Amino acid sequence: KNEVEQSPQNLTAQEGEFITINCSYSVGISALHWLQQHPGGGIVSLFMLSSGKKKHGRLIATINIQEKHSSLHITASHPRDSAVYICAVSVFGNEKLTFGTGTRLTIIP
Amino acid sequence: NAGVMQNPRHLVRRRGQEARLRCSPMKGHSHVYWYRQLPEEGLKFMVYLQKENIIDESGMPKERFSAEFPKEGPSILRIQQVVRGDSAAYFCASSPRRSEKLFFGSGTQLSVL
Repeated sequence: KNEVEQSPQNLTAQEGEFITINCSYSVGISALHWLQQHPGGGIVSLFMLSSGKKKHGRLIATINIQEKHSSLHITASHPRDSAVYICAVSVFGNEKLTFGTGTRLTIIP
Repeated sequence: NAGVMQNPRHLVRRRGQEARLRCSPMKGHSHVYWYRQLPEEGLKFMVYLQKENIIDESGMPKERFSAEFPKEGPSILRIQQVVRGDSAAYFCASSPRRSEKLFFGSGTQLSVL
């Protein structure tokens, strides 16, 4: 069983829809990262969080430490949001990231 | 303020040759991380370096792979005697301090013929 599980694996939605991507992990962590990988391959770090909630534009990330669960939400989705979204965790005292397998999001105009 | 720069963007090598991948972190960043993404697989940690020191290399294959981050110049990931299984996208990331948000380079796509 992977230490980091994401769901769904693939998600297709219409432009404007509210999107939720989930991430569950099985170990104690010091931080959780949400990354976006574009079709061209480049990776952008969206959020790094260890508690609560963070918001940036139309993106919101939440984490529940007790339940070992995080969600990434996208409001008013747009075709340019189409990408692979990756959850990654760092364990206490260890800087290396363990990655989920990603969620491929496609937003249809 | 340039981002994390990786070069080359694409690298083609024949089996048995050496591959050198370069990563220049963002200005002011002294922590560098290398990750590998095999075809149809997720990202995997390889090595974490801080200027002139290897902090964690637990994700590096024991043979043929090495990494350095000298006092001057970029971080180098070196793969000796490449094999087809080394074909992958190699990403570098940097941060200004430990446990801070990472900034990623565009990656180097290594193809071994």
